[in-house]
Amino acid sequence: QVQLQESGPGLVKPSQTLSLTCTVSGGSISSDNYYWSWIRQPAGKGLEWIGRIYTSGSTNYNPSLKSRVTISVDTSKNQFSLKLSSVTAADTAVYYCARVYYYMDVWGKGTTVTVSS
Amino acid sequence: SYVLTQPPSVSVAPGQTARITCGGNNIGSKNVHWYQQKPGQAPVLVVYDDSDRPSGIPERFSGSNSGNTATLTISWVEAGDEADYYCQVWDSSSDYVFGTGTKVTVL
Repeated sequence: QVQLQESGPGLVKPSQTLSLTCTVSGGSISSDNYYWSWIRQPAGKGLEWIGRIYTSGSTNYNPSLKSRVTISVDTSKNQFSLKLSSVTAADTAVYYCARVYYYMDVWGKGTTVTVSS
Repeated sequence: SYVLTQPPSVSVAPGQTARITCGGNNIGSKNVHWYQQKPGQAPVLVVYDDSDRPSGIPERFSGSNSGNTATLTISWVEAGDEADYYCQVWDSSSDYVFGTGTKVTVL
């Protein structure tokens, strides 16, 4: 049973870079034809797709965030990562990682990131 | 960009049927997926590809999709079904799009 776990700082200062890692357990990140994705949810609001990566390194990003987002993968560690630059208070949210086909069938529990000085 | 619109809330009595709609331009030509999210928890996939259920999801959850509206139907509603529900599609120009979300309240 594949499981995902997000990790990273819970507090980031404005204008700095948010960095999160998702660790995949119970299976190889390289197996099957899955993408690996990041999704976020501000408190009391809906879900927003951030981007996805394939184990080849191929990426797609939400156009509204594309200029600030980088997603990378480390197959040797069974991990993929998110970097979001120049953060503001509007980036405060719960960040989820997920396994993706055309839908997200496995989700991490989520990690709260607050942008504040 | 592609937009999916859901009613903000739906209320239903226990044992009754809840229907949650998801509106989008010609959504019937796309595959629609549905997620259930309880407070403080990650979303859970309850229906994929319009009407298929992942293993472990009760048959009470069903989906349909035609024209400009997709529908998630929850039959024999239970108190434990109280949650937020989101529809989602993959669109070639917008990638992954989520609906606005519907809060289901069990009376």
